[in-house]
Amino acid sequence: QVKLLQSGAALVKPGASVKMSCKASGYTFTDYWVSWVKQSHGKSLEWIGEIYPNSGATNFNEKFKGKATLTVDKSTSTAYMELSRLTSEDSAIYYCTRLGAPYWGQGVMVTVSS
Amino acid sequence: DIVMTQGALPNPVPSGESASITCQSSKSLLHSNGKTYLNWYLQRPGQSPQLLIYWMSTRASGVSDRFSGSGSGTDFTLKISSVEAEDVGVYYCQQFLEYPFTFGSGTKLEIK
Repeated sequence: QVKLLQSGAALVKPGASVKMSCKASGYTFTDYWVSWVKQSHGKSLEWIGEIYPNSGATNFNEKFKGKATLTVDKSTSTAYMELSRLTSEDSAIYYCTRLGAPYWGQGVMVTVSS
Repeated sequence: DIVMTQGALPNPVPSGESASITCQSSKSLLHSNGKTYLNWYLQRPGQSPQLLIYWMSTRASGVSDRFSGSGSGTDFTLKISSVEAEDVGVYYCQQFLEYPFTFGSGTKLEIK
């Protein structure tokens, strides 16, 4: 069955970067866009952007340009998101998902604190 | 950006009663291909969101037929025909007609 398995929680210092992973299984990784979604504590969902693994093409929410970098490793069917210059506003749960399909990762909790 | 506005529920909803959740978009989500680019999700407490409805009215695989989606180009409704304890959580609508994809603020369902 389809699974999206994300990396573990991260505690990072302000100004640093964090890179998280999303390993896909159960389907042809290169055939479907992978989206990343942010959920700040107790709040709604924000779409960060998406990547098409076959070509590496990306689309971003303007709000997250310069903040998020999306990449993939086709050899391991893994998508990555790196967040840079972290502030407290970046503390949140980050999900990878195939939007519009019933497949979501379990989420990565990122805490930015000194 | 397309703004998605969700209505509230008169919580708590008695078990077995029906519940309707509304969502309004700031722009029509009806494409010239005849499809409406709207999804509905449920996020149960402590869990990832799960897809309930796509293309405004198509139930996702494994989703109970107690859930149904309807609407026009800008006004949408998710109806739960007979609420059960497992339906507790926050419901989100989401548009995927235009970038950036946007979600509603969520509608919380509590059961009595």
